[in-house]
Order: sequence, then C-alpha cells, then structure tokens
Amino acid sequence: QVQLVQSGAEVKKPGASVRVSCKASGYTFTNYGISWVRQAPGQGLEWLGWISAYNGHTYYAQKFQGRVTMTTDTSTSTAYMEVTSLISDDTAVYYCARDDALVGTRGFYFDDWGQGTLVTVSS
Amino acid sequence: EILLTQSPATLSLSPGERATLSCRASQTVSTYLAWYQHRPGQAPRLLIYSASNRATGIPARFSGSGSGTDFTLTISSLEPEDFAVYYCQQRFDWPVTFGPGTKLDIK
Repeated sequence: QVQLVQSGAEVKKPGASVRVSCKASGYTFTNYGISWVRQAPGQGLEWLGWISAYNGHTYYAQKFQGRVTMTTDTSTSTAYMEVTSLISDDTAVYYCARDDALVGTRGFYFDDWGQGTLVTVSS
Repeated sequence: EILLTQSPATLSLSPGERATLSCRASQTVSTYLAWYQHRPGQAPRLLIYSASNRATGIPARFSGSGSGTDFTLTISSLEPEDFAVYYCQQRFDWPVTFGPGTKLDIK
C-alpha cells in the first residue's frame, strides 16, 4: 500500500529555514510527483507547489516562489521541501501528497497523503 | 488562478440530517473537481473526484454533482464521524487551488 512518511515536528526562529522530508513507499516513486500543502492554525488548505520525481521539474505557487524549494532523492524515494526566511505566518502543518509526474496534468487527485509535519515559527 | 468559493462557511446539523455543501469556481473547471474531508489531527481524505465519483472506501451516503462552475457535495444522512471540515479542490488548471472550506458541526 502507498505510504508517505514525513519528518517530525520542527521549531524555528523567524528568519531561519526548515526542511521537511516525505519518504514514499508502496509504489514506483519515479512514476509520480509530490505536491505540498499546508494548513495554518484556523486556516484552510493551501497548495505550495509540486515536484516531479520523474524529471525533477517543479511548479511553485506564485506566493511561495523564491522562498520554497522542492527536491527529490530518487535513490531513497524521498521528497524534500525547504522554506527559507521563515515568519510567524509560516507556522502550519505541512503535508505531502502523491501527485502526477507531469506538469499541467488534469484530473489527478490527492488520494495519498503524509501524516503532516508541524512547523512552528517562534522567537 | 482559479478561485473557489464555498458556502456556507459553517453548517450546523444533527446526526441523521442531510447536508448540502456548495463550491463555485471563478471559471469553468469542467468536472475536474474533488472534495476532501479534513478532521483535526488527520490528513485530508479524498471523498469525491471528478465531481461525482466516490473514492475508494467512501460510503454511499456521500455524493457529488455539478460541472462547469457549480458543484455540490451531499451527505444523505449524517453520521457522528462526518462532522469535519470539507474542502473542494480543482485540478483543471495549474496552480492547484482549494476552496476556503465548509465546517460541518453538530447542532
């Protein structure tokens, strides 16, 4: 069965960076991509962007361009998301979700999610 | 970017009642729309994909309808575990967008 296991909770100071990992199993990692979604306290779901584990292409939501970097390590079937220049508004639970391998795809829905990683930004 | 709006923001109902949740897109998304259930402390759960198809393992009391810009999620008879937040999501165009959510709470 598909499993996405994320790294543990993090506490960071404003201005710092954080990297969250998402280790995939139960499917061929390079046949798919990974999207990242977050939920801040009291807020809704917000999509940050996507990376293809097939070819390494990325697509970032405009709001996060320049501050978020997504990478993959195909040797360990792991996706990573780094957020830099953290502010208090970045306090959220961050989720990874299995997505399609190619940008522009229509109709691929998030049936498989990681358990979430709480990132707290506080001085 | 395609904007999704959901109504109502909060819906207060009792177990056994019927729930009707709406999602409207700022432009057509054809039928490339999904519904997710999100309970506190859990990952979101895919309920409905492509507007009207139940995901694997989703009970028959959940149904979706609509196309173009207007969509509906219906829960025919609420169970205690259905009280959660529901989000719509479009996969017609990039970037992926979610609606702001409808909180379904117990009356």
